[in-house]
Parts: sequence; C-alpha cells; structure tokens
Amino acid sequence: AQSVTQLDSQVPVFEEAPVELRCNYSSSVSVYLFWYVQYPNQGLQLLLKYLSGSTLVESINGFEAEFNKSQTSFHLRKPSVHISDTAEYFCAVSDTGGFKTIFGAGTRLFVKA
Amino acid sequence: NAGVTQTPKFQVLKTGQSMTLQCAQDMNHNSMYWYRQDPGMGLRLIYYSASEGTTDKGEVPNGYNVSRLNKREFSLRLESAAPSQTSVYFCASSEAHGAGREQFFGPGTRLTVL
Repeated sequence: AQSVTQLDSQVPVFEEAPVELRCNYSSSVSVYLFWYVQYPNQGLQLLLKYLSGSTLVESINGFEAEFNKSQTSFHLRKPSVHISDTAEYFCAVSDTGGFKTIFGAGTRLFVKA
Repeated sequence: NAGVTQTPKFQVLKTGQSMTLQCAQDMNHNSMYWYRQDPGMGLRLIYYSASEGTTDKGEVPNGYNVSRLNKREFSLRLESAAPSQTSVYFCASSEAHGAGREQFFGPGTRLTVL
C-alpha cells in the first residue's frame, strides 16, 4: 500500500530565507507525485507535479521539487520565501497504474517578517 | 468560471441531525470527490464519482452517502451526524479519474457536530 510522510508538521522561517519541506513516500510501483498548497480558508490548489521526464519540476512562483527515486523523496524547496507563502503544503502520491491519490498530513509553513 | 463551489460554508449540527453538503463544478469535469480534512491527518477520501452515474467508496465512507445528481453536481449526505464527523469537508473535481490527474478543490465546508 502507498503512503506519504511529511516529516515536519510546522516550519517557521524568516522572510527571504530558504526553505525545504520534506516529503517521503512508499510504493512498490511507479508513482506520480504532487505538491498542493492551501492558503488560509481556501481549498487546495496544485503547486507542481512530477509525472515523468526531468526529475526537477518548478512552479510559477519560485518553488521547485526534485523526485529522488532511490530515496523515495519529493522535497519542496524555495530559495527565498515571502510572507505570502504562508500556507499549508500537502504532498500527494498516486501510482501510475491506479486511481487513488494519497495525501500527506500537511506541513504548515509560517513566514515571519 | 466559478470552478468548484460548495454550500454551506459553515454548519453546526446536533448529534443525530441530518444534512446535505452541496457541490457543483462548471469545468465539465467527469470525476468528482468528497474529502474530509482533520488536523494531522491530511485529506481522506470519503466517496468519489469517476463519471456521471457512478459512485464508489473511498477510505472513510461510514456514516455518509453521496449522490451524483448530474455531471455538474455531487452531494454528500450525513443521515445521523456524530461528533466524530466534525471536520472540514472538501469537494474536488478532475477531468477524468486516474493517476496523474490534477484535482480542483472547492473552498470547503466547516462542520461542527455537538
């Protein structure tokens, strides 16, 4: 069975500092990987996804994530965060031959001035 | 385009009361989903509808029923609410049901059962 572990429940960071949100998954088959972001009082929206090809994927607002098959990880990074990045971030996985998407428990990123 | 809309935004129920959460999407998506979000547990799938006319159980279906009214609308019903159903409920939709598909989420319904 698949599972997703987000290693940090909360990550406080100062504005303009770099940040890494960690995500590990377990699966016996090939996977697709996603990061969703949830701003306060809103639904989730897709930030970026890995389906195939380059293992480094980027979002339009400066986040990037790297698929590491050997370490079964898909960590999310941003070199310099803004106050507006304060949100909860969810890692998700689905196996390429299936239908189910499994979400992690979420990491709350809090950017301080 | 409104995307995915949900009503109501907030609801307080007493134990044993019933209610229906409404969801509609205007993106012509085939698949729709109901999740609940609880602190420290992420999102858990309650029910989904891969296409109009079909519904299937997800991870936590007990205590819930769903209706895919038409391609646009997918409702979630609590027949006899329990305090354990206090949660935030999200409806989502995707073009089709399958791995790799982006899901589009509504703003959520915050439900409290006393």
